[in-house]
Amino acid sequence: ETGVTQSPTHLIKTRGQQVTLRCSSQSGHNTVSWYQQALGQGPQFIFQYYREEENGRGNFPPRFSGLQFPNYSSELNVNALELDDSALYLCASALPGETQYFGPGTRLLVL
Amino acid sequence: QQQVKQSPQSLIVQKGGISIINCAYENTAFDYFPWYQQFPGKGPALLIAIRPDVSEKKEGRFTISFNKSAKQFSLHIMDSQPGDSATYFCAASIHQGAQKLVFGQGTRLTINP
Repeated sequence: ETGVTQSPTHLIKTRGQQVTLRCSSQSGHNTVSWYQQALGQGPQFIFQYYREEENGRGNFPPRFSGLQFPNYSSELNVNALELDDSALYLCASALPGETQYFGPGTRLLVL
Repeated sequence: QQQVKQSPQSLIVQKGGISIINCAYENTAFDYFPWYQQFPGKGPALLIAIRPDVSEKKEGRFTISFNKSAKQFSLHIMDSQPGDSATYFCAASIHQGAQKLVFGQGTRLTINP
């Protein structure tokens, strides 16, 4: 059984740029959630995808967007990067209503 | 109302001792309470979880105690080992279209040998 994988592991961008982060869900999991974890903080829910549709969103602006593909993998896109977007971005996969399992994360640094 | 408050922020325990981390919540719509362990540079890993109809769950050295009336739950790590040194997060799950996890602020646990 393959766990949740994310790419890239690290990324450096400058303010105003756009970034795309990728996630492959654990085998059989059709729900993918994205979280932002600032340094020294707990993860914050960004949004969740189920059957290629966004079915819930946290308190994040529209410049945070995503996609889910037919194989359940997912992308997180962030436009117009700000310094405060520097964080660890975590992807979690699950069956609907079941335990979420996290990937290793992508560390994003915005300069 | 959707916050989960976690304490202490940091904890130092001697090897072989008991580590205790506490969490509290307000929203009674939370229906699932997992604990995650996170090592530096890694994603959170599920440790143990409980549903509110159970007052205690034990898995090996890890025990969750749950007090529904007080809206509090805690993690006990028995016989703490240096390898348990990590950051621990409590979380609460709520269904609002999506199944969303609300995390506590985390506890940095250090086990001294």
